[in-house]
Amino acid sequence: DAGVIQSPRHEVTEMGQEVTLRCKPISGHDYLFWYRQTMMRGLELLIYFNNNVPIDDSGMPEDRFSAKMPNASFSTLKIQPSEPRDSAVYFCASSEHTGSTEAFFGQGTRLTVV
Amino acid sequence: AQTVTQSQPEMSVQEAETVTLSCTYDTSESNYYLFWYKQPPSRQMILVIRQEAYKQQNATENRFSVNFQKAAKSFSLKISDSQLGDTAMYFCAFMKHAGQFYFGTGTSLTVIP
Repeated sequence: DAGVIQSPRHEVTEMGQEVTLRCKPISGHDYLFWYRQTMMRGLELLIYFNNNVPIDDSGMPEDRFSAKMPNASFSTLKIQPSEPRDSAVYFCASSEHTGSTEAFFGQGTRLTVV
Repeated sequence: AQTVTQSQPEMSVQEAETVTLSCTYDTSESNYYLFWYKQPPSRQMILVIRQEAYKQQNATENRFSVNFQKAAKSFSLKISDSQLGDTAMYFCAFMKHAGQFYFGTGTSLTVIP
């Protein structure tokens, strides 16, 4: 397996624009997680899915953020409208099952909102 | 809620020497997992070592070992024979359920040739 795949690697967008980040988890993994990394707050869990169902979105900062997982092999994180303070690295990670003790991270998407 | 504290924002070590990175955490859980992740400039999060809280024996992975003190809620990482490739950010993390990590703020480690 190629691991967790995120796209794009880098995204630069203007304030007010919609931005969509994409993630393909490892095949067969039941859990998918979205994390955000900033200098000020470090790595924070935004939302996670179990078998494509959102379980906990309490980390999503605002209503401008939304995440979907239409099937087991694809998830999106959307920001609409984007703001400069959304600039960060966004990581997707997947984990095999409830008893798993490891999660596998993608290489992240560096988002810059100007 | 769980919190993870890394009190050393930056550290440096001479190549081939040993360095210890500190981490403390706070939780009311009795069963959990602790991790150290490495993040090089490539941004990739790389698992360094993992410790199950119910195991008293400290985990080791080649040059990497931990000192896990459950009562003190301390989980330090020791890197022996430091190599230039060890230069990276190191994150301590707490996990109760699969993939739900609480991360510390990280320690930037520089290995000096």
